[in-house]
Amino acid sequence: AQSVTQLDSQVPVFEEAPVELRCNYSSSVSVYLFWYVQYPNQGLQLLLKYLSGSTLVKGINGFEAEFNKSQTSFHLRKPSVHISDTAEYFCAVSFDNTDKLIFGTGTRLQVFP
Amino acid sequence: SAVISQKPSRDICQRGTSLTIQCQVDSQVTMMFWYRQQPGQSLTLIATANQGSEATYESGFVIDKFPISRPNLTFSTLTVSNMSPEDSSIYLCSSMVSIYNEQFFGPGTRLTVL
Repeated sequence: AQSVTQLDSQVPVFEEAPVELRCNYSSSVSVYLFWYVQYPNQGLQLLLKYLSGSTLVKGINGFEAEFNKSQTSFHLRKPSVHISDTAEYFCAVSFDNTDKLIFGTGTRLQVFP
Repeated sequence: SAVISQKPSRDICQRGTSLTIQCQVDSQVTMMFWYRQQPGQSLTLIATANQGSEATYESGFVIDKFPISRPNLTFSTLTVSNMSPEDSSIYLCSSMVSIYNEQFFGPGTRLTVL
């Protein structure tokens, strides 16, 4: 079965520290990969996406992610986080060129001063 | 980008009643999706709504409980029928915009069932 795994339900980090949020998927078919952010009491906003081409994808707010096909991963990184990055982050995958998105369980990033 | 609006933004309903949620997209789109986000959880796809055909439901969701309409290329409704407290969730619609190759989400409808 196709699935998306975000191993870390919560990631606490101090301001200006680097952070990595992990995402793995299980499938041998082609995939499109997405990271969404959800701020408290707000809707989903797309951070970045991988469709094809370069495996290193840069997104908004200084985030980037790297697609690793052999490890079926798409980890999200930021070299220096800010208090305002505190939010829920969701990895989502579209399998085999369909338009349906399968979401991971989410990672709550908590940035402390 | 596509702009998606939903009505109502929130509602509190009594057990046994039904609520219809509206979703409007500012451009014509082929596919629209309805998701449920239960408290503290991730998003789960309820169904895919294509214009001119019946919605396609995911495992665990049925048309009698979540009837969907898609009368045109910019609009869809989701009804939550015979509600129980377990239906308390945020319901989100989204649309796939081909030229951007991404899904845009509405702000969600926060439903509380007493």
